[in-house]
Amino acid sequence: DAGVTQSPTHLIKTRGQQVTLRCSPKSGHDTVSWYQQALGQGPQFIFQYYEEEERQRGNFPDRFSGHQFPNYSSELNVNALLLGDSALYLCASRSLGEQYFGPGTRLTVT
Amino acid sequence: QQQVKQSPQSLIVQKGGISIINCAYENTAFDYFPWYQQFPGKGPALLIAIRPDVSEKKEGRFTISFNKSAKQFSLHIMDSQPGDSATYFCAARENYGGSQGNLIFGKGTKLSVKP
Repeated sequence: DAGVTQSPTHLIKTRGQQVTLRCSPKSGHDTVSWYQQALGQGPQFIFQYYEEEERQRGNFPDRFSGHQFPNYSSELNVNALLLGDSALYLCASRSLGEQYFGPGTRLTVT
Repeated sequence: QQQVKQSPQSLIVQKGGISIINCAYENTAFDYFPWYQQFPGKGPALLIAIRPDVSEKKEGRFTISFNKSAKQFSLHIMDSQPGDSATYFCAARENYGGSQGNLIFGKGTKLSVKP
């Protein structure tokens, strides 16, 4: 049984560009959350998707948007990238219970 | 405002010793308290979790102690091993009237177990 998978593993973007990160949840999980983890910090909640809708959102600007597909997979989009957006982006999935994290996508903005 | 405060920031323990990491919270709406272990370059892995109606939970060498009145909880790692060297995060989840909220994390504790 595959766990949470994310792609790409890492990428480098330039300030002002746009990026899309992808996540496939653990089998049987229908809820996907995205977190941003800056170096040396704990993960910070961005938003959560359930039934293809954004259900909860953390304190992140509208430049951060997402989508959930009928197969429960999800995308995180970030527009107008800033240097401060450099971080590990984590996807987590759950179904009624514990939340399981993927390996993350390391985004570097230059 | 930091909702979950974690200490210490770093911890060095000898092999075979006990590692203790502490967390404190303010929001009484939190209803679930997990601990995650993270190795460099990896995502956080769920280690053990507790709900506020239980004062202690043990799984193998890992134990969570929970003090609801003090709004504190801690992770104890018995017989610490070099392979336990990682960053540990406590977290808390808010209950939105029966709907599960997101996780709020502490800032992490970097544990080094010396052989």
